[in-house]
Amino acid sequence: ELKVEQNPLFLSMQEGKNYTIYCNYSTTSDRLYWYRQDPGKSLESLFVLLSNGAVKQEGRLMASLDTKARLSTLHITAAVHDLSATYFCAVDNYQLIWGAGTKLIIKP
Amino acid sequence: KAGVTQTPRYLIKTRGQQVTLSCSPISGHRSVSWYQQTPGQGLQFLFEYFSETQRNKGNFPGRFSGRQFSNSRSEMNVSTLELGDSALYLCASGEGVRERAGELFFGEGSRLTVL
Repeated sequence: ELKVEQNPLFLSMQEGKNYTIYCNYSTTSDRLYWYRQDPGKSLESLFVLLSNGAVKQEGRLMASLDTKARLSTLHITAAVHDLSATYFCAVDNYQLIWGAGTKLIIKP
Repeated sequence: KAGVTQTPRYLIKTRGQQVTLSCSPISGHRSVSWYQQTPGQGLQFLFEYFSETQRNKGNFPGRFSGRQFSNSRSEMNVSTLELGDSALYLCASGEGVRERAGELFFGEGSRLTVL
């Protein structure tokens, strides 16, 4: 059974700090997606990673994919309050297999 | 380009009733997936339709069903509602490339409350 594990599941951090969310998965796949969800809202696509070594950046967020290690990371640089949300990774294995989500709270 | 549209956005039902939710995907997208999201269970896959055929199915009881029409619009139905069916139901639209789920685009969701 394909499993996708995110850690941490909850992260509280101060503005201005850097941190990384990890997404490990248990089978081979070369496609992985990151989504953001604000409280009470739907999911918004952030990054599409389509090959080993893929790196995408948008503002203070950077995502990368290492298919050999079966690991993707979402790095937050100099966090700001507006990035507070729940972040999900999803592995493409014919259907999307989702991580449990990381709830990120950024305090001023 | 219009996004994914779900209706209704909010609804309240009582136990034993049934409910039908509707989803219009992004124009040109042929795949529609449905998810249930609750605080306790997180995001759970219900089913996916592609070109009017159910292509994948999650682990939900038969009370949960769906269909897709020739214009790619999809409906899901929940019969004999239970309290535990209270959730945010999300519809996601995708191109449905063969052998890949592909990037999904989500609607705003239908929030169902069962009393």
